[in-house]
Amino acid sequence: DAGVTQSPTHLIKTRGQQVTLRCSPISGHKSVSWYQQVLGQGPQFIFQYYEKEERGRGNFPDRFSARQFPNYSSELNVNALLLGDSALYLCASSLVGPWAFFGQGTRLTVV
Amino acid sequence: KQEVTQIPAALSVPEGENLVLNCSFTDSAIYNLQWFRQDPGKGLTSLLLIQSSQREQTSGRLNASLDKSSGRSTLYIAASQPGDSATYLCAVADDKLIFGTGTRLQVFP
Repeated sequence: DAGVTQSPTHLIKTRGQQVTLRCSPISGHKSVSWYQQVLGQGPQFIFQYYEKEERGRGNFPDRFSARQFPNYSSELNVNALLLGDSALYLCASSLVGPWAFFGQGTRLTVV
Repeated sequence: KQEVTQIPAALSVPEGENLVLNCSFTDSAIYNLQWFRQDPGKGLTSLLLIQSSQREQTSGRLNASLDKSSGRSTLYIAASQPGDSATYLCAVADDKLIFGTGTRLQVFP
């Protein structure tokens, strides 16, 4: 059974550009959450989606947006990239219960 | 506002030692607490989850305890091995996961 898959694994963007990160949850999992992990810090919550509806939003600017598709996969979009957006972006999926399973992350570098 | 702290920030031990990693949180109203392992540049691997009604969970050489009243959890690693070298993160769950900054563990032969 495949785990949580994220794409791409790495990418480099220029300041001001836009980026889309993708996440496929574990089969049967209906909840997807996104986290940002800056080097040396713990992950910070960005969004949670359940059954295609936003269930939670962290303290991030409106440049960050996300959506969940009918197959429960999800995209995270970041507009007008800043140098400070450079981080590891993690996606987690869960069934209904408390276990959260994370993907390998997307390493975003903004130059 | 929930805050999660992990001590120590880094730990270096010889192979075979038993060790304890600490996690503290400020608000006891949590659903559960999870311990994760993170290898450099990689995602998170879930190690143990303790429900708010539980006191401890065990998996192999790992044992995690939870004391909600004091806002503390410990991760005990028995007979450490070089392959245990990684960053260990604890996270408390209310409606989302709130992480500590991790303990970077190095086990040398």
